[in-house]
Parts: sequence; structure tokens; C-alpha cells
Amino acid sequence: EVQLVQSGAEVKKPGESLKISCKGSGHSFNSYWIGWVRQMPGKGLEWMGIIYPGDSDTRYSPSFQGQVTISADKSISTAYLQWSSLRASDTAMYYCARHFTGYDTFDIWGQGTMVTVSS
Amino acid sequence: SYELTQPPSVSVSPGQTARITCSADALPKQYAYWYQQKPGQAPVLVIYKDSERPSGIPERFSGSSSGTTVTLTISGVQAEDEADYYCHSPDSGGYYRIFGGGTKLTVL
Repeated sequence: EVQLVQSGAEVKKPGESLKISCKGSGHSFNSYWIGWVRQMPGKGLEWMGIIYPGDSDTRYSPSFQGQVTISADKSISTAYLQWSSLRASDTAMYYCARHFTGYDTFDIWGQGTMVTVSS
Repeated sequence: SYELTQPPSVSVSPGQTARITCSADALPKQYAYWYQQKPGQAPVLVIYKDSERPSGIPERFSGSSSGTTVTLTISGVQAEDEADYYCHSPDSGGYYRIFGGGTKLTVL
């Protein structure tokens, strides 16, 4: 079974750093783009960026460029989303998702990681 | 910045047909995709490449495209179809992707 399993919920203070993860199994992780999607409480989906673990080619939405860093470690089939200095406005659910070539869009999603930033 | 415009809400009675639209200038040149999201769950793909249905998605879900507007149609709406629906598409240059603001489908 193809799965993306994300790291657990996080509670952080403003200014702290954070790296959340998304581990793939059941498919050739390095051969699919993996994306990240933000959903702020009670709000819609926002496409943040995407990475190809095979060569770490990365693209960002202009809205998130410079605000977060997307990376991957192909040796352990894991993608990451990280912040160097969190803000309260980063409080949201973050999903990773696999971009399936056949559909040309996300087909498999992780369960989501809730990040809460509060002093 | 580039945007996909959806109506905030659509309401239908069970058994009726629900139509959810999504509009943007680049849609004649870019495919659109539709996701269903129920409370507390991750999104689920229901339509890809304007009108294709992934395996496992009921036939009552269909998609169409006309000019700058794409439409998700749910025929014979069931109570279980009550959810938020998001359209999704590349920007005009195809470098990144965006989601529409979402439409809450209420089954009366």
C-alpha cells in the first residue's frame, strides 16, 4: 500500500525553528514529486511547494518562497518542511502529498501535521 | 497574483445535481483538478485533467471545461457528498500550482 506518514503534532513558540517530515512507503519515493500544502484553521488549501527527491529539484509558490525550506533525504524516503523562525501565523495543518504522473496531480496524501505556534 | 475563483457555498437537496464552478484566465490552457475534503480528513482527488475520474470515485462525479471556467458536477447528490470542494490548477506559466478558495457543498 502506498502511504505517506507524517510526523506528529508540534507546539512551538514564536521565533523557534521546526522541521516536520513525511515518510513514503509502498512506492518508489525518489521517482515522484512530493508537495506540501498548508491549511490554516477554518481556511482553504494553499500549495506551498514541491520537491523531486531523486535530484532535490524544488519549486515554491511565490507566497512561500523564502518563508520555508523544502528538502528531502532520498536514502530514507523522507521529505521535510522547515522553518527557521516560526510566527503565530504559521499555525496550521500541513499536508504532504505525492504528485502522481498519471493524474498529473496529488493522489496520495499524508495524514497531516498540526503545527501550533503560541507564546 | 493568479487566482482560481470558486463560489463560497452551494446547497442542493438529496438526489439533485450540484454544480461547482471555478474560474481563471489560464484555465483554457491549463488542466484543472478537483478535491473533496471532509472535516478532519485529508483531501481526496475526485477529478483530474478537467474531466477524468480516478479509480474508486463514483460515476456521479464529473468534470467539464468551457473557456475560463471549469465545472465539477455531482449528479444525484447524496448526504455523504457534503464536504468542501477545491479546484486546483497550475498558474499560467505552469511553474507552480494553486488552489481555489473552496466551495462548501451543503446537502439540505
